[in-house]
Amino acid sequence: EDQVTQSPEALRLQEGESSSLNCSYTVSGLRGLFWYRQDPGKGPEFLFTLYSAGEEKEKERLKATLTKKESFLHITAPKPEDSATYLCAVQGMSNTGKLIFGQGTTLQVKP
Amino acid sequence: SAVISQKPSRDICQRGTSLTIQCQVDSQVTMMFWYRQQPGQSLTLIATANQGSEATYESGFVIDKFPISRPNLTFSTLTVSNMSPEDSSIYLCSVEWATEAFFGQGTRLTVV
Repeated sequence: EDQVTQSPEALRLQEGESSSLNCSYTVSGLRGLFWYRQDPGKGPEFLFTLYSAGEEKEKERLKATLTKKESFLHITAPKPEDSATYLCAVQGMSNTGKLIFGQGTTLQVKP
Repeated sequence: SAVISQKPSRDICQRGTSLTIQCQVDSQVTMMFWYRQQPGQSLTLIATANQGSEATYESGFVIDKFPISRPNLTFSTLTVSNMSPEDSSIYLCSVEWATEAFFGQGTRLTVV
């Protein structure tokens, strides 16, 4: 059964304090791994898609990496506006379009 | 990217009634997806809606409770029927566009 586990559940950082969020997954043939940002009361905002182990993608202060078992979302020198819930999801080869989501990591960045 | 509009953005409904949520996409897409996000939880797929065919429901979700329409390639509706307080959630429409998956802003439903 496809499964996604994110850790930690919650993370508090000081502004400028870099850290990483983890997404561990099991899937029968990975079609893609997705990262989203979700602000309270809003729908998930697409950040990245990763397809194969070793792949990396960057956007501003965020960098996503992928191995065969997990993905990391690295946040470099975060700002208060980076505070949000970050969701990881996988799409298996046998489940066209369907995303399996983790529980999310709620990030709070204090000034 | 695909732009998705959902209506209503929020509603408070009496138990036993039904609510229909609309999802409009600015591009033609083959598949549209409906997800539920219960309070404090992550997203769970309810069903996949293909134009011209019956929706495919995930385990734990049935057509009588969540009927879906998909009349064309840019529009879908999800109805939450005979609502109970346990149906209080955010309901989200999603589409796959190129290699990315986009979401609407969601419909926050409260059943009293």
